[in-house]
Amino acid sequence: DAGVIQSPRHEVTEMGQEVTLRCKPISGHDYLFWYRQTMMRGLELLIYFNNNVPIDDSGMPEDRFSAKMPNASFSTLKIQPSEPRDSAVYFCASTRLAEKLTDTQYFGPGTRLTVL
Amino acid sequence: KQEVTQIPAALSVPEGENLVLNCSFTDSAIYNLQWFRQDPGKGLTSLLLIQSSQREQTSGRLNASLDKSSGRSTLYIAASQPGDSATYLCAVRVVNSGGSNYKLTFGKGTLLTVNP
Repeated sequence: DAGVIQSPRHEVTEMGQEVTLRCKPISGHDYLFWYRQTMMRGLELLIYFNNNVPIDDSGMPEDRFSAKMPNASFSTLKIQPSEPRDSAVYFCASTRLAEKLTDTQYFGPGTRLTVL
Repeated sequence: KQEVTQIPAALSVPEGENLVLNCSFTDSAIYNLQWFRQDPGKGLTSLLLIQSSQREQTSGRLNASLDKSSGRSTLYIAASQPGDSATYLCAVRVVNSGGSNYKLTFGKGTLLTVNP
């Protein structure tokens, strides 16, 4: 398996622009997570899905952030409008129910977002 | 609210040295604790997972311990090698009555450098 795939790997945009980050989880995984990592706050969970349904979005910082999972093999995280403080590395991770007891989450390589 | 702290933030050691990384958490009602490794520009890779009922887990040169009552965990690395250089993060999963809470709370990590 190719692992969790994220695109783009790097994104540089200007303040006010819309940004869309994409994630393809590992085939067969039924949980998908979006995280954000910054020096100041570390790694934070933004939202997670189970069987394409958002379960907990309490980590989403504000209404400018939205996430969707239209099918089991694709998810997006959108920021509109983007602000410089959104600059961070955004990770997607996935896991499957059968691995619940071990809690192993498989992380993608991340998208480094820079908002100028 | 669960908070996870890792000390030290950075550690530099000569090759061959044994070392200990520390992790503490504020709420002892955890489901499990996990240690991850993160290489520069990469995602996270799970190293060891300790269930709340366990005291330690071992994998090769790595040994992780858990003292839930005191809210502490340590990651022991024996005979360190330059290839061990990375950021090490610990994460706890909190207890949820429905067993469906998949939220992990992460520490900010310890940046380890092993010098040849």
